[in-house]
Parts: sequence; C-alpha cells; structure tokens
Amino acid sequence: GENVEQHPSTLSVQEGDSAVIKCTYSDSASNYFPWYKQELGKGPQLIIDIRSNVGEKKDQRIAVTLNKTAKHFSLHITETQPEDSAVYFCAARDGFQKLVFGTGTRLLVSP
Amino acid sequence: DVKVTQSSRYLVKRTGEKVFLECVQDMDHENMFWYRQDPGLGLRLIYFSYDVKMKEKGDIPEGYSVSREKKERFSLILESASTNQTSMYLCVVSLPGLAGSNEQFFGPGTRLTVL
Repeated sequence: GENVEQHPSTLSVQEGDSAVIKCTYSDSASNYFPWYKQELGKGPQLIIDIRSNVGEKKDQRIAVTLNKTAKHFSLHITETQPEDSAVYFCAARDGFQKLVFGTGTRLLVSP
Repeated sequence: DVKVTQSSRYLVKRTGEKVFLECVQDMDHENMFWYRQDPGLGLRLIYFSYDVKMKEKGDIPEGYSVSREKKERFSLILESASTNQTSMYLCVVSLPGLAGSNEQFFGPGTRLTVL
C-alpha cells in the first residue's frame, strides 16, 4: 500500500524567512496530494492541494510542487509569520480513495 | 455549510470497557474514514467505508470494529478498551474521488483516555 514520508519533523525559522516541507510517496497510482495545517486543540485544516496532472500550484504565500517521476511533493511558505506556527501534514490519496498521511512537521516561526 | 460531528470531544473510559465513537455527516457523502492521531506518528487509518453496510480495514484495525447501518453515521467500536488506545480519533468524510470534490471534511475529533 501507499507509504508517505515527511521531513523534517521540526522546523524553526525567523519571521520573514521561507519554510519548505518535503514529502515522498510510494504508490504511483496516487493522484491527489493535500496539505493540512493543524493548530493546537483543533483538527487538520486543508490549506492547499494539488492533483497529479499539475506540477505546481500557488495560493498567496503558499505553494505546492509535485514531481511525479520522483514521487515527491513539497510545501513552500514564503514570508513566514508567527501565525504560521503549527503542525503541517502532507497526504496522498491512493487508488482506493484513502488518504495516507505523513507524520507531520512542527513549524515554529520566531518573531 | 458542510458538517461532520463526533459524539464526544473528550471521553474517559476504563480498561476493558466497550466504547462507541460516533460520526455523523449531513452531506450525503459515500466515503467515511476513522483515523487515530498520535504524536510523531501522524494520522493512521483504522477503518473506512464506501457505502452503507460496507467496511474495509485500514492500516491498524486490531482492537477496533465499525458499523455503518445508515449512510450518514459511521461508528467506531472498541470492544475492550486498552490503555494503548488512548488517542485522538478523527472522522473524515469525502465524496468519491474521480468526478466529485477532492476535499476531505474532518470532524472535530474525540480525545479518548483509557485508564
């Protein structure tokens, strides 16, 4: 079945810097790759997603890139702000429509 | 507005008790999933269902069972709760992937503590 690996597990940046979180997946049949932000005490919230027929997608300060050949995808946050501090999860939806999640990245943005 | 509700936000049970976690959706969506979330392990799939009376094992089904008697309700059952089942449990709802929306809808979660 699908296996998703996520790195790094923790990431500390200064306000205004960029942050990059990377994920790899194993199942070439996976066709949808969402990213979630989870704040303390809350459930995961979808922040951006990308389908397998697209290489890059951007939404203001957030972008996601997908390399199907290498089976990896990345989240890029530019001009980070303290309110970006949270745990971020990547996921891949496999051919059975199940979401398989990465283990999460704790992002800390220092003022 | 889309709504996925879970029966309890916090639950404390004793070892050996039978525990029911309920998830209800108002969207008439086919796909429903139960995950547990643990620090450092992310979200792991326990069971899922594509339709009424249908269920499939996820990656960690041991110690759990499920029931889907009606389309809107998907129940997770811990037959005999154990301390290693202390976790956050999340219900997720989605449409079939190909033609429908890509989005998954999360319930608020149930934090279960087994003493």
